[in-house]
Amino acid sequence: GAVVSQHPSWVICKSGTSVKIECRSLDFQATTMFWYRQFPKQSLMLMATSNEGSKATYEQGVEKDKFLINHASLTLSTLTVTSAHPEDSSFYICSAREYSDRASGSSYEQYFGPGTRLTVT
Amino acid sequence: LAKTTQPISMDSYEGQEVNITCSHNNIATNDYITWYQQFPSQGPRFIIQGYKTKVTNEVASLFIPADRKSSTLSLPRVSLSDTAVYYCLVGDDSGYSTLTFGKGTMLLVSP
Repeated sequence: GAVVSQHPSWVICKSGTSVKIECRSLDFQATTMFWYRQFPKQSLMLMATSNEGSKATYEQGVEKDKFLINHASLTLSTLTVTSAHPEDSSFYICSAREYSDRASGSSYEQYFGPGTRLTVT
Repeated sequence: LAKTTQPISMDSYEGQEVNITCSHNNIATNDYITWYQQFPSQGPRFIIQGYKTKVTNEVASLFIPADRKSSTLSLPRVSLSDTAVYYCLVGDDSGYSTLTFGKGTMLLVSP
């Protein structure tokens, strides 16, 4: 299957600083990427949908000015957590959607990155 | 978006077959059913996807009845390494849908 990478895999930052997380589709082009957040022992929560060359669509309750998303190319999306606070500490996971032209018909398949553990002190 | 309901947790022993059922009563005509596996501190990993009847790959089988209101993920002869959270998701493949995760099923495989 297709591979999605994230960098860094973990990061510790001080309260009030900003941190950028990169998401790359390594062997395919992704017009759409997604950002999720997962707190301990909870499910993944969709934060935003990122389309290449356009503004991201944020889910209700997610502050777009705090979680800046840039999808400047077909293989890279970035999430910047601005003015991070301890409550932003979480596991951030990106995913990328690949268009698949199968014999049974075309479809989109979604692949997930390994996640980034953010700890804000 | 169709909501899914799964058991919160399941226990099994090594070598047994495990069947995890997911309910999705409001599934739409264009929706596919996809199962993901997630280990702690890792991103979800695609297991299997289906639309109707039965789908089988090298790791699992997916059974979908004719009304498509539920589906069952079958893991043959589980091992300790199959201990993980399993998510059932429903969505179309138009390129416009988003995957919404439910609570998932925590499968614990014991020796």
